[in-house]
Amino acid sequence: GAGVSQTPSNKVTEKGKYVELRCDPISGHTALYWYRQSLGQGPEFLIYFQGTGAADDSGLPNDRFFAVRPEGSVSTLKIQRTERGDSAVYLCASSLGAPFYNEQFFGPGTRLTVL
Amino acid sequence: SQQGEEDPQALSIQEGENATMNCSYKTSINNLQWYRQNSGRGLVHLILIRSNEREKHSGRLRVTLDTSKKSSSLLITASRAADTASYFCATAGDTGANSKLTFGKGITLSVRP
Repeated sequence: GAGVSQTPSNKVTEKGKYVELRCDPISGHTALYWYRQSLGQGPEFLIYFQGTGAADDSGLPNDRFFAVRPEGSVSTLKIQRTERGDSAVYLCASSLGAPFYNEQFFGPGTRLTVL
Repeated sequence: SQQGEEDPQALSIQEGENATMNCSYKTSINNLQWYRQNSGRGLVHLILIRSNEREKHSGRLRVTLDTSKKSSSLLITASRAADTASYFCATAGDTGANSKLTFGKGITLSVRP
């Protein structure tokens, strides 16, 4: 596709429910990142994939958060037992295979609201 | 935690004026990037400057980097109302193979027509 796409654009769920957020990166980009942005803040890193493997998941806040990228393209961020504090915009980005030197292209984000 | 700190937090200027935004960071970096965000969604990449570069230009944008002071500035010349947005600096670390970006809190730029 032309850019990074994310679905859904908005997700409203109830506390305690399970949600999945999907990211479709730019074709050919081997690096994929998830960030979370709260109101009035900059994005905060969650997890980074190089190909199929999670190269760095140090930003995941706790074990309720998990992400996969089984075929090295589309990625899914999974949140179990959602809490109100999980409400934020979840951003996905991708870049070419030399991540040190390449800019990251961001998707439009998924706005998650936990009631 | 957020590494970059932008300054000022908010900036309001008249169309046609120049806008200067500053960013400071704490640890060694491989590169620094500036992004624009409209309406709280959709970060748009503006420019990337590497740690061995001092200045870079792209259209009406000029970015400088001073690694000795751990600071960067973004200059937008001849501003337009369409430049109204939030601007973020983000740094990529120089250790290991991870290029995760660490963002500041952002600067809100308002350009009055």
